[in-house]
Amino acid sequence: ILNVEQSPQSLHVQEGDSTNFTCSFPSSNFYALHWYRWETAKSPEALFVMTLNGDEKKKGRISATLNTKEGYSYLYIKGSQPEDSATYLCAFTSGTYKYIFGTGTRLKVLA
Amino acid sequence: SAVISQKPSRDICQRGTSLTIQCQVDSQVTMMFWYRQQPGQSLTLIATANQGSEATYESGFVIDKFPISRPNLTFSTLTVSNMSPEDSSIYLCSVGTGIQETQYFGPGTRLLVL
Repeated sequence: ILNVEQSPQSLHVQEGDSTNFTCSFPSSNFYALHWYRWETAKSPEALFVMTLNGDEKKKGRISATLNTKEGYSYLYIKGSQPEDSATYLCAFTSGTYKYIFGTGTRLKVLA
Repeated sequence: SAVISQKPSRDICQRGTSLTIQCQVDSQVTMMFWYRQQPGQSLTLIATANQGSEATYESGFVIDKFPISRPNLTFSTLTVSNMSPEDSSIYLCSVGTGIQETQYFGPGTRLLVL
């Protein structure tokens, strides 16, 4: 059974703080790792798709790294803002249509 | 990326009834999927909606409980049948242009079964 785990489950940070969270996934049969941001009552927004070991992606203040050999990815947010408050999901795929999601990290940025 | 809408956005239903959720995409897409997120759980794939043929269900999901239609390349419905409180979840549709491409999601339907 393929399992994707995210930690922490939730966290609160002050505005301006930087933060990071982890996604752990199977290191075998890896094809891609996806990160999404999901705000309440909105569609999950695709942030990054990462495929190569050592990949680093950046979008504004958000960046992500990938280690396929040990099976983890980090998502970093620099200088958190209240609008960053959301649930961050990662999803693993072995090259099929099926995404295996983690349970998400719920971030609350306090003004 | 495609623009995806879902109806209804939320509903409260009585045990034993059925609810049909609609998913509309603003462009033709090859692949459409239905997911469920139960409280405290991860997003889980229910089935792939196939245009012109029966949906392909994942382990643990059956057609009698979750009948799916896909009459064309821009529209699909998911019915949650004979509902129980355990069906209280967020249901999302997603679309993809290919097996190895990023999937894009609708805003979800929040269902509460009493």
